[in-house]
Amino acid sequence: GENVEQHPSTLSVQEGDSAVIKCTYSDSASNYFPWYKQELGKRPQLIIDIRSNVGEKKDQRIAVTLNKTAKHFSLHITETQPEDSAVYFCAARSPGRRALTFGSGTRLQVQP
Amino acid sequence: DAGVIQSPRHEVTEMGQEVTLRCKPISGHNSLFWYRQTMMRGLELLIYFNNNVPIDDSGMPEDRFSAKMPNASFSTLKIQPSEPRDSAVYFCASSLGHSNTEAFFGQGTRLTVV
Repeated sequence: GENVEQHPSTLSVQEGDSAVIKCTYSDSASNYFPWYKQELGKRPQLIIDIRSNVGEKKDQRIAVTLNKTAKHFSLHITETQPEDSAVYFCAARSPGRRALTFGSGTRLQVQP
Repeated sequence: DAGVIQSPRHEVTEMGQEVTLRCKPISGHNSLFWYRQTMMRGLELLIYFNNNVPIDDSGMPEDRFSAKMPNASFSTLKIQPSEPRDSAVYFCASSLGHSNTEAFFGQGTRLTVV
């Protein structure tokens, strides 16, 4: 089955700096890659996703890049703010399989 | 739509007792997932249903765990008997039945087995 590795496990940045989280996946057929943000005590919520026919997607301060050849994808957050502090999960989904396989999560702390 | 609804939000039970977690997916969604979240193992898929049929239960830890989806608007996850190592947050999620659509999570049930 699919296996997703995520790095780093923790990341601390100063407010205004950029943050990058990286994930690799094992199934070359995977075609959907969402990123979820989970605040303390709350549910994971989708913040951005990318499909395998696209190399990059941007939504305001958040962007995701996908390299299908290398089987890795990354989340980029620019101009970080304290409210960006949370745990971020990457995930991947293979065709024909409805369920997401999640990475282990990255705890992002933005220092004011 | 109220989103995915889970109950109870918190459950504290004694070891050996039966625990039943409940989930109502978003209306119109035909895929439903049960995940377990712990510090050590992160978000693990336990089982998922498509059109009320269990498709993959390979993540169910052992026979003490069972899940049902009697209709499109309701699912249960049962643990019998419960053990302290079952303590975790259990999330239910639902999505439309396409391979590249968003999965929406419920608020989760925090289970503590003492």
